[in-house]
Amino acid sequence: TQLLEQSPQFLSIQEGENLTVYCNSSSVFSSLQWYRQEPGEGPVLLVTVVTGGEVKKLKRLTFQFGDARKDSSLHITAAQPGDTGLYLCAGEETSGSRLTFGEGTQLTVNP
Amino acid sequence: DADVTQTPRNRITKTGKRIMLECSQTKGHDRMYWYRQDPGLGLRLIYYSFDVKDINKGEISDGYSVSRQAQAKFSLSLESAIPNQTALYFCATSDPGLPRDTQYFGPGTRLTVL
Repeated sequence: TQLLEQSPQFLSIQEGENLTVYCNSSSVFSSLQWYRQEPGEGPVLLVTVVTGGEVKKLKRLTFQFGDARKDSSLHITAAQPGDTGLYLCAGEETSGSRLTFGEGTQLTVNP
Repeated sequence: DADVTQTPRNRITKTGKRIMLECSQTKGHDRMYWYRQDPGLGLRLIYYSFDVKDINKGEISDGYSVSRQAQAKFSLSLESAIPNQTALYFCATSDPGLPRDTQYFGPGTRLTVL
């Protein structure tokens, strides 16, 4: 099983601040997915990046896939309380369609 | 109506009891998965099934078994529950088509083993 390390594990910031979450591995993935999970619910897909070096933007969220397809980052600009949640990265293994999940980053945005 | 449903949503049981968690989906997906979530450990794959006749072990299958009764139903059983199986359990489905095998999760079952 390929491993994914996510950092930081916890992040508490004030509304309006910027933040970056990192997802790193020594293994290559076919694609990298980012999910967001709220209390009492299952994770919901935010974005999938497939090509090395790819950058995708979703409103104030910017996702980047590393050139070597081993790492990814999520950057949030001007965070809002509604961004609070658990952010999970998940790599699609090159051997098939199983996903390997990172440990998650619990983000709290204070008003 | 939710596309992926799980029952029960919460369950408290005692050590040694056999319990079953059920998952149903209306998305028409062939692929179904069971994960457990523990604080600081993310989601770990227990079992997965790519069609009704296909069952595969994930990274933490010991102490668990599954049954794929139909395309829409995938059940997870704990034959003899133990306290370290206390966790949040998620069922998920996926379609191997585009986008890249996105997984759709149910709302989760919170299991406590005393």
